Amino acid sequence: SQQGEEDPQALSIQEGENATMNCSYKTSINNLQWYRQNSGRGLVHLILIRSNEREKHSGRLRVTLDTSKKSSSLLITASRAADTASYFCATGLDYKLTFGKGTLLTVNP
Amino acid sequence: KAGVTQTPRYLIKTRGQQVTLSCSPISGHRSVSWYQQTPGQGLQFLFEYFSETQRNKGNFPGRFSGRQFSNSRSEMNVSTLELGDSALYLCASSILQETQYFGPGTRLLVL
Repeated sequence: SQQGEEDPQALSIQEGENATMNCSYKTSINNLQWYRQNSGRGLVHLILIRSNEREKHSGRLRVTLDTSKKSSSLLITASRAADTASYFCATGLDYKLTFGKGTLLTVNP
Repeated sequence: KAGVTQTPRYLIKTRGQQVTLSCSPISGHRSVSWYQQTPGQGLQFLFEYFSETQRNKGNFPGRFSGRQFSNSRSEMNVSTLELGDSALYLCASSILQETQYFGPGTRLLVL
């Protein structure tokens, strides 16, 4: 069963714009992670935020976590065509990751 | 460091057959996890191994099994294949079971 639910399911923007994706989850977590997947290939880890953290930055990525609302957001600033991919949030607990269904981001040149 | 490798990359089987997929983790990583990805169900956790012990298992039938060897390499086996087993099977390795590093996956087609 899915733990996280990403919103929106699909997002189309122009190069240079910012992209924001949201994730909601249902149960307790140790951490929340975001991954990227290009066209059915393997997943690439983007960023991890622990349950006692509220915000984290990595390059053009900014992640927030609100454990009271059981939600997280991923912001990609100054998007590029190469950012076109599916983005998944995953919650970590008990030695496993539970993934949402993902947001398909299309960045138009 | 070499990344996670999975073999084979593509596989075609017929219903009723069995299949074994292999995963070699990043050197030094002792945790290996397996996931199934389908268009309908998305990414679903199969099982996780650490030092040859299964620590968690997802909600899959007993036809899905796995094991880990002393060198941390892992295999998963699916017996009595069904059409619905067609999927991308992803393996991931990690050190502390936090950040997971994924392989390219094995795409299985069951006819």
